[in-house]
Amino acid sequence: DAGITQSPRHKVTETGTPVTLRCHQTENHRYMYWYRQDPGHGLRLIHYSYGVKDTDKGEVSDGYSVSRSKTEDFLLTLESATSSQTSVYFCASSSGQDILSYNEQFFGPGTRLTVL
Amino acid sequence: SQQGEEDPQALSIQEGENATMNCSYKTSINNLQWYRQNSGRGLVHLILIRSNEREKHSGRLRVTLDTSKKSSSLLITASRAADTASYFCATPLSSNTGKLIFGQGTTLQVKP
Repeated sequence: DAGITQSPRHKVTETGTPVTLRCHQTENHRYMYWYRQDPGHGLRLIHYSYGVKDTDKGEVSDGYSVSRSKTEDFLLTLESATSSQTSVYFCASSSGQDILSYNEQFFGPGTRLTVL
Repeated sequence: SQQGEEDPQALSIQEGENATMNCSYKTSINNLQWYRQNSGRGLVHLILIRSNEREKHSGRLRVTLDTSKKSSSLLITASRAADTASYFCATPLSSNTGKLIFGQGTTLQVKP
């Protein structure tokens, strides 16, 4: 696997609390992504980043924000967690070297978040 | 809406048999990718096929792409218990963002 780690790996929190998930990659990849995976919905893109301080929304971005202050780190924040945000969250990265998007994505191990 | 949709949703076979999974997509693409996810793990890239390719091989994997039908298939030959996993196809959302749209996956169980 590419050097992508996520922390924490598991978290239980209460409704209304802020939560930050961290993704760290050591591949110097340009692009980074946050997905959530839920039964019946597959993998859905929350936010992505195409460079330091450059981010954009995915298909399920409501209730989430992201920040990328360094190439290697991409943070996902749930401003006020809700039970509907209980899910498994995956971070991914890709080199972005090929402008035609012939780029595979490398995934982290996932964070299992439970909002009570 | 999903760009890629896999069929079947679940597949159970005996070790040594071949497994075929299909993916259909809706819009024009320049490549299609297949990923594997073992239980409790992240996705792992298996193979990428470009729109000008009809077939590609990697070990026991064979991927075909039919752009006229907007469909792809993943064939795993001589399956092993270790092939038990979920398999996802993914297509680019647009040509220059690196974003992919994933299907909901096919869950493959290979019985020893």
